[in-house]
Amino acid sequence: GESVGLHLPTLSVQEGDNSIINCAYSNSASDYFIWYKQESGKGPQFIIDIRSNMDKRQGQRVTVLLNKTVKHLSLQIAATQPGDSAVYFCAEKSSGNQFYFGTGTSLTVIP
Amino acid sequence: EAGVAQSPRYKIIEKRQSVAFWCNPISGHATLYWYQQILGQGPKLLIQFQNNGVVDDSQLPKDRFSAERLKGVDSTLKIQPAKLEDSAVYLCASSLARAGELFFGEGSRLTVL
Repeated sequence: GESVGLHLPTLSVQEGDNSIINCAYSNSASDYFIWYKQESGKGPQFIIDIRSNMDKRQGQRVTVLLNKTVKHLSLQIAATQPGDSAVYFCAEKSSGNQFYFGTGTSLTVIP
Repeated sequence: EAGVAQSPRYKIIEKRQSVAFWCNPISGHATLYWYQQILGQGPKLLIQFQNNGVVDDSQLPKDRFSAERLKGVDSTLKIQPAKLEDSAVYLCASSLARAGELFFGEGSRLTVL
């Protein structure tokens, strides 16, 4: 039978509201971070990145905040739309140039 | 620009059988990664290639998993013999540089019965 996986953290928001997805990373030496969006049955898709010499970066409807003091990353999505429903992962780049992913957050947008 | 291509998209095998997955990265991308994504979890790095050389395979279960990238372009990931816990999506990703953004393929979903 199918094995039981970990339960993803979930977030439900109303269409048009703002969403905030959080991520804690593990390695204080990590210098590059990426947020990925993964829709069902597809591979992860790049959303936005940030380097450790920055604490904020904005894209179209998305903003990433980096707090190196507490090793925390957040993704803010403005005016969330039904097409934003997906699982969101943060990834950190190690000093060895490998990318390690968090567990992910499942975002559901309620029309 | 063509993306990362993977095949097969789906594969069902019985335990102890073998399986192979193929990946063709984006043209010109020197770095290639294989990730394993178990249902409900984030992708876990199995192996990273730089051209045809292995950069990191510390999390690859080498008693049953193998991967190669002989000509520095396409790559093959093999599992032999498969176990039930190998049921997962196997994602291939490539990047232009070792420290650059990863571009993922659609993945190969493996079910081991």
